[in-house]
Amino acid sequence: AQSVAQPEDQVNVAEGNPLTVKCTYSVSGNPYLFWYVQYPNRGLQFLLKYITGDNLVKGSYGFEAEFNKSQTSFHLKKPSALVSDSALYFCAVRDTLLPGNTPLVFGKGTRLSVIA
Amino acid sequence: DAGVTQSPTHLIKTRGQQVTLRCSPKSGHDTVSWYQQALGQGPQFIFQYYEEEERQRGNFPDRFSGHQFPNYSSELNVNALLLGDSALYLCASSLKGRINEKLFFGSGTQLSVL
Repeated sequence: AQSVAQPEDQVNVAEGNPLTVKCTYSVSGNPYLFWYVQYPNRGLQFLLKYITGDNLVKGSYGFEAEFNKSQTSFHLKKPSALVSDSALYFCAVRDTLLPGNTPLVFGKGTRLSVIA
Repeated sequence: DAGVTQSPTHLIKTRGQQVTLRCSPKSGHDTVSWYQQALGQGPQFIFQYYEEEERQRGNFPDRFSGHQFPNYSSELNVNALLLGDSALYLCASSLKGRINEKLFFGSGTQLSVL
């Protein structure tokens, strides 16, 4: 079965410092990996995805993520954090080995707090 | 071009009642997925509809049912509400078979069961 783990409930970082939000996954086949962000009282907004190719993926708002197959990780990063980045971040995976329109499975989320 | 729209935005019900939530997918999309997001948790997959049939289902009881209409809009019905059904219900739309593409989410319906 496919699953996602986000080991940190909360990440605190000072404005201007680099940030990392961790994600590890488990699938039977190859993964399709996604990051979403959720602001208060809003739905989920897409940030970036890894399907195939270059292990470093660049996305919206200056975010990037690195796919590491040997460590089954897909950590989200940003070189310089902004206060406006404070939100709830979700990692999600699809297992390409499963048949049909496989649903996206989400982690429990990591709350990012950027302090001015 | 409208994105995914959900109604109502908030709903308060009492235990044992029934509720219907509605979703219109993004223009051009034919697949609707429903997720339940409890407080402090990630979204949990309920079920997915395309071609007016339930295609995939997560680990939710039969009290949770749905429907998709010919215009691709969808409803989520929950019967015999329990306190534990209180959550944000999210609708997401996509294109059938495009598993390498992102889901587009609505803003959700916040359901409170008292």
